[in-house]
Amino acid sequence: KAGVTQTPRYLIKTRGQQVTLSCSPISGHRSVSWYQQTPGQGLQFLFEYFSETQRNKGNFPGRFSGRQFSNSRSEMNVSTLELGDSALYLCASSLRAGAEETQYFGPGTRLLVL
Amino acid sequence: GNSVTQMEGPVTLSEEAFLTINCTYTATGYPSLFWYVQYPGEGLQLLLKATKADDKGSNKGFEATYRKETTSFHLEKGSVQVSDSAVYFCALRRDTGFQKLVFGTGTRLLVSP
Repeated sequence: KAGVTQTPRYLIKTRGQQVTLSCSPISGHRSVSWYQQTPGQGLQFLFEYFSETQRNKGNFPGRFSGRQFSNSRSEMNVSTLELGDSALYLCASSLRAGAEETQYFGPGTRLLVL
Repeated sequence: GNSVTQMEGPVTLSEEAFLTINCTYTATGYPSLFWYVQYPGEGLQLLLKATKADDKGSNKGFEATYRKETTSFHLEKGSVQVSDSAVYFCALRRDTGFQKLVFGTGTRLLVSP
């Protein structure tokens, strides 16, 4: 079974631009979560979607948004990019939502903002 | 709030040495506990998990036991290999309410031949 795939793998943008990242979960998985990883802040939760509905949102500004489609694929968007948005963005999927569910991570999209 | 504390790295070991990476947590209720590993340039891979007290998770020679009395989930391996060099993250997920994964800061393991 194919794992979680994320596109693109690498991205370079300039301040003020916007970016859209894509995540395709493991087949049959209905829950998708997004995380930001930086050397300074570590791994931080962005949002979680289940059946096209946002279940939870982390403590990020409104410039960060996301959505999930009926096929469970998810996108996240960052508008008006800032230098501090440079990070590895990780997507994770699980069969269902819930504490016991294992989240399987994709390889990430590395975003560099210049 | 919910948090995970890991020992600072890097942990430097010789091949075949015994490994322990300490992890303690603070959480309400009965969280599930996880260890993830991240190899250079890659995403996170689940190493093992435990969902209730006294459960032992194990995989690829790694083990960790969910100790509720000491709120700990220490990772151990009897004999490390050079290929185990990576960053290891301990994480928890609450059983109620906001169920995001909460990660520790990660511990880098370096194994030399």
